[in-house]
Amino acid sequence: DGGITQSPKYLFRKEGQNVTLSCEQNLNHDAMYWYRQDPGQGLRLIYYSQIVNDFQKGDIAEGYSVSREKKESFPLTVTSAQKNPTAFYLCASRSAGTEKLFFGSGTQLSVL
Amino acid sequence: QKEVEQNSGPLSVPEGAIASLNCTYSDRGSQSFFWYRQYSGKSPELIMFIYSNGDKEDGRFTAQLNKASQYVSLLIRDSQPSDSATYLCAVNEPGGSYIPTFGRGTSLIVHP
Repeated sequence: DGGITQSPKYLFRKEGQNVTLSCEQNLNHDAMYWYRQDPGQGLRLIYYSQIVNDFQKGDIAEGYSVSREKKESFPLTVTSAQKNPTAFYLCASRSAGTEKLFFGSGTQLSVL
Repeated sequence: QKEVEQNSGPLSVPEGAIASLNCTYSDRGSQSFFWYRQYSGKSPELIMFIYSNGDKEDGRFTAQLNKASQYVSLLIRDSQPSDSATYLCAVNEPGGSYIPTFGRGTSLIVHP
């Protein structure tokens, strides 16, 4: 089955800790995105990548980092510099030349 | 700063009625408009997209676009309790960068 897999489903972060959220897709999509969703809010763009080995900051990139070493993978690291990380994180991908985003099932990150 | 505005609701309608969801956007050059449905705790899924002024129908769903007024809407006919969800409006930047800006979503409740 083709799709986007996010893991873990739930993640807890301690003070001062960096954590990494995984996003893997087997749809052969070129573009991948990370969004953050707070309760009652829309999706805010953290980072996006249109091709392998290239990525750009979105609207709220501070305190986050990403890599795109493989087409299938776009992990997001929430660093200790992100002081309010509690949110629902969504990874999405898109095939070149189309505008439809496919979303993973999300990771709920909470602070201990 | 590009903006996409939606009334957060909740919008409550009886089963069988027409639900009308509205969205306005700030970037007059925007060309592509999307409606995503998000059930509680789940990821968004695309249900409609529209590029041209006027109406676009797909089953019980109709998307309406008025670029002069910078307004896009979603009508759901014969609303069902299973339509109860948050509906996110998304607008792509002009120029083909495929970076959608999302509204905060409107919560729809369809009661029997």
